[in-house]
Amino acid sequence: GAVVSQHPSWVICKSGTSVKIECRSLDFQATTMFWYRQFPKQSLMLMATSNEGSKATYEQGVEKDKFLINHASLTLSTLTVTSAHPEDSSFYICSARASGVTGELFFGEGSRLTVL
Amino acid sequence: GNSVTQMEGPVTLSEEAFLTINCTYTATGYPSLFWYVQYPGEGLQLLLKATKADDKGSNKGFEATYRKETTSFHLEKGSVQVSDSAVYFCALDLNQGGKLIFGQGTELSVKP
Repeated sequence: GAVVSQHPSWVICKSGTSVKIECRSLDFQATTMFWYRQFPKQSLMLMATSNEGSKATYEQGVEKDKFLINHASLTLSTLTVTSAHPEDSSFYICSARASGVTGELFFGEGSRLTVL
Repeated sequence: GNSVTQMEGPVTLSEEAFLTINCTYTATGYPSLFWYVQYPGEGLQLLLKATKADDKGSNKGFEATYRKETTSFHLEKGSVQVSDSAVYFCALDLNQGGKLIFGQGTELSVKP
């Protein structure tokens, strides 16, 4: 089946630094990718919708200057957490929607960010 | 607003027991409904889905029926296995665009 890969799967950084997380669709083209955030024992909360070649659409309450999303190609979207702080520590998950009529959705394995 | 509510976990069952994980939703329109499964260390995988009222989704022995009258999409399996141990997420999609609203997840642990 189709695979979506996230990298890194685990990252630890110091407070104030920026961290980039990549989401790649390995064997299909994805015009749309979604970024979610998951706190322990809680649901996935949609952060933003990323469309190839255009600006991301952010959900209410998500700081667009804090969480920079770039969808530069049909197989890659990146999430950059700028000036990270401990409260940004979380599990970040992307999903990619395949181009075409069926538009099936596939999820990455997630990336765990710990900010010290 | 639109939301999904699942029963609290963790749920612990013995092998071959019957499983029900309740899921109810609130939506302004007519959503598609999904169950996703997340095995330890892996990403979410689609387990089954239903796109309209009275549809039944099924896969790997799991079933769920889209009940519009009770706004529910309960997940069932007649005989669970140890390999079914995972976290299960109920979700809805209002406009088929892939923008999902998830429940909080229910952890299932199946003991031999």
